Amino acid sequence: SQTIHQWPATLVQPVGSPLSLECTVEGTSNPNLYWYRQAAGRGLQLLFYSVGIGQISSEVPQNLSASRPQDRQFILSSKKLLLSDSGFYLCAYSLLGIRNQPQHFGDGTRLSIL
Amino acid sequence: KQEVTQIPAALSVPEGENLVLNCSFTDSAIYNLQWFRQDPGKGLTSLLLIQSSQREQTSGRLNASLDKSSGRSTLYIAASQPGDSATYLCAVPGNTPLVFGKGTRLSVIA
Repeated sequence: SQTIHQWPATLVQPVGSPLSLECTVEGTSNPNLYWYRQAAGRGLQLLFYSVGIGQISSEVPQNLSASRPQDRQFILSSKKLLLSDSGFYLCAYSLLGIRNQPQHFGDGTRLSIL
Repeated sequence: KQEVTQIPAALSVPEGENLVLNCSFTDSAIYNLQWFRQDPGKGLTSLLLIQSSQREQTSGRLNASLDKSSGRSTLYIAASQPGDSATYLCAVPGNTPLVFGKGTRLSVIA
């Protein structure tokens, strides 16, 4: 069976500092991978998704970037964090077709910007 | 552009009640619809996925129905328990791989 891991669970960063959140999936190969952000009072917003190594689709222009250096590793980064980057970040994966398979989520990272 | 709406935004019921959560979507040309549960401060747990060719899916005390033509889905929870307290979200494929509603926050009071 597949498992998904996200870390860290919580993170407090000052404005202007860099960011790196990591997500890995075990028990499968070539998963589709996703980064979401959930801000207070707002719905779940898709930030990036990837269907393969080095393939990144960006859904929302922002201060963030994503990379997929290995098949089962998805990284969310920023060079300089803004206050508006605060939120709950969730990584997810799905198998096979991108639109007809369930997505499974990690436990999330709570990011607070000071 | 696909949009998903969930009503009500919050719901409080006494333990043991049967309840229905509603989800509507604007573009009926969907492959499937997925229901999730989110506990406070946690990630999402997939509950049920209904393919477009299906009308309902059941898992234990949960039953989800799908009416593509009217752009609606319902999640029925039978004999609710305090452990069912959580936020329930529905999602459908759209312009992005999944478009989510904002969820219904359910409180089941013992």
